Amino acid sequence: KNEVEQSPQNLTAQEGEFITINCSYSVGISALHWLQQHPGGGIVSLFMLSSGKKKHGRLIATINIQEKHSSLHITASHPRDSAVYICAVRPIRGGARQLTFGSGTQLTVLP
Amino acid sequence: EADIYQTPRYLVIGTGKKITLECSQTMGHDKMYWYQQDPGMELHLIHYSYGVNSTEKGDLSSESTVSRIRTEHFPLTLESARPSHTSQYLCASSPQGGYSEAFFGQGTRLTVV
Repeated sequence: KNEVEQSPQNLTAQEGEFITINCSYSVGISALHWLQQHPGGGIVSLFMLSSGKKKHGRLIATINIQEKHSSLHITASHPRDSAVYICAVRPIRGGARQLTFGSGTQLTVLP
Repeated sequence: EADIYQTPRYLVIGTGKKITLECSQTMGHDKMYWYQQDPGMELHLIHYSYGVNSTEKGDLSSESTVSRIRTEHFPLTLESARPSHTSQYLCASSPQGGYSEAFFGQGTRLTVV
C-alpha cells in the first residue's frame, strides 16, 4: 500500500465548478506539498503546509495532522487548471528520501 | 519563479548510446535530486546529493550515475541507453534544513529506441 493515497485518480469538471482533491497519508510527516504538473512534465509547487490552511488565489489547501489528511480546493475552476495535481509528504523519518509522492489526480476542466 | 533548468527537454536516442541529462540551479541549494516518473505513475527518487562530492542512490534502483562537482550542476548519465530507460526524469533542489520547499525542473522526456 502506498504511503500517500490520492482521490480521485481522475476528475472531470465543468468550468466554474468547485473542485476538491483529497490526500491521505499513513506516516508521520513534517510537511505536505501540493504540486501541479502540466502535460509538458514540469512541476510547480503550489503549497507547502504543516498545519491549518493556506490560500493562494483560487486555490486553498488544508491539512488535518491528527487525521493524516489534506485537501486541495479549486474555486471557480477554469480550463487552464487542467493538470495533474500531486500530493507529496515529507516523512519525519524519511531522511534522504525528502518526499514521498502520491500517484496524482488528473484534473480536466471543460469549457 | 524557480531557477532550476533541465536540458534537453525531449530526447530520442538509439540503444547503446551514452547520454547525459543536465540539471542546473542558480539558487545555491545544497540538496539536489533526480526523480524518475513513468506515465501516470508516482515520482521515484533515483539519486540525491547533499552537496559537492556527495551522491547517493535513492529508493528506486537505476543504472544511471550522477556527479556533483559543482553546487549548481547535477548531471545524470546513462552509459548505454536501453528501451527500459524510456521515462521522464525530473531534477529538483532544495536548501539545507528540514523544513524547506523543493523546486522542480521542467523534466527531460527520454525515449530510447
